[in-house]
Amino acid sequence: DTGVSQNPRHKITKRGQNVTFRCDPISEHNRLYWYRQTLGQGPEFLTYFQNEAQLEKSRLLSDRFSAERPKGSFSTLEIQRTEQGDSAMYLCASSLGRAGVYSSYNEQFFGPGTRLTVL
Amino acid sequence: DAKTTQPTSMDCAEGRAANLPCNHSTISGNEYVYWYRQIHSQGPQYIIHGLKNNETNEMASLIITEDRKSSTLILPHATLRDTAVYYCIVRGSFNDYKLSFGAGTTVTVRA
Repeated sequence: DTGVSQNPRHKITKRGQNVTFRCDPISEHNRLYWYRQTLGQGPEFLTYFQNEAQLEKSRLLSDRFSAERPKGSFSTLEIQRTEQGDSAMYLCASSLGRAGVYSSYNEQFFGPGTRLTVL
Repeated sequence: DAKTTQPTSMDCAEGRAANLPCNHSTISGNEYVYWYRQIHSQGPQYIIHGLKNNETNEMASLIITEDRKSSTLILPHATLRDTAVYYCIVRGSFNDYKLSFGAGTTVTVRA
């Protein structure tokens, strides 16, 4: 399977614990995105990477959240001191793109998501 | 990015065409219209996009009005597997790295 993969698919944790999710993008894609989706809502943008550089962070990404893409390949999203309000589906997507070049389309391929439940 | 307005839900009969409307009255000249869909328990899936001309691919057709203030996604022969939430997104050229999803239209295809 050459699509975007995410692990784990489900995570149940207790409030106050730290959790880490992993995303493996499509291999030739240089852009990687994280979104969060709560029940009944569309996904909300969290952050994005161009290769290993994190170029944008949404204000939704509090200081308890950190994302990395150390070698420009896979990415991790860590949530520290989880709160019940962090319960959501965390989606990863990847795409091709070149910095500074407008692309008329930039199709993002999404993974299946990691569903986080904070008790 | 311009905001979009979509109906909350719609039903469609299997085998018939499904016409999904989207209003984007504040769209600017360099903004594209994108459609994604999300089948239950899956990540969103790209369907089609367009600037001002009508577009067609193997999944759907996109009809954009001449003033570009609204568009319609057409699924020509809806199947049960097309049951999903459909998102209409307007996307600009200078922040084309992110997608701003609304609540979308929940489409239910009935046998």
